[in-house]
Amino acid sequence: GESVGLHLPTLSVQEGDNSIINCAYSNSASDYFIWYKQESGKGPQFIIDIRSNMDKRQGQRVTVLLNKTVKHLSLQIAATQPGDSAVYFCAENKVNNDMRFGAGTRLTVKP
Amino acid sequence: SAVISQKPSRDICQRGTSLTIQCQVDSQVTMMFWYRQQPGQSLTLIATANQGSEATYESGFVIDKFPISRPNLTFSTLTVSNMSPEDSSIYLCSVGQGGEPQHFGDGTRLSIL
Repeated sequence: GESVGLHLPTLSVQEGDNSIINCAYSNSASDYFIWYKQESGKGPQFIIDIRSNMDKRQGQRVTVLLNKTVKHLSLQIAATQPGDSAVYFCAENKVNNDMRFGAGTRLTVKP
Repeated sequence: SAVISQKPSRDICQRGTSLTIQCQVDSQVTMMFWYRQQPGQSLTLIATANQGSEATYESGFVIDKFPISRPNLTFSTLTVSNMSPEDSSIYLCSVGQGGEPQHFGDGTRLSIL
């Protein structure tokens, strides 16, 4: 069936390095994608989004890349900080606003 | 973005009992959503709650087990009925419009003994 998934369940990086979190999706009809950050004890927090008519979008220290050819989404975090340690979810938003979440990647930043 | 408050933030309940979770938003919203997040896992949509209509449940979730109310544009409740240990999860409320990001409350952490 259709799904949104992630390539790696855990990622450990050194403070100051760049982080790349990946996500694969299978529904070519999806037109909107979102990255969320979830810290322990909190709900998911919106980070950045991208629509299917774009292939790159940048925010503050974060960049999302969308490759529709291979149905791949990535989140890049520049100069990773300890406060970036969290679980990151990609989500696929279909036309009727029915959102599907990927499995999540736990990012650990080592000092 | 909207500020979403959930009550209770956590609870420990006995099996066979029911618990009602409240979700309050600081602005009027059309669409509200309820998710379940089992320990160490991702979020699964339980149902969509729109004011003035019956909630729409996802496959695997039924109204008898998870009745939902949506009395106005700023409030919703989710009841977890006849609880068993398998219902131990985080229950999350979110709000959002089509094609825009959903915003979440901090969830209700539920443990059933």
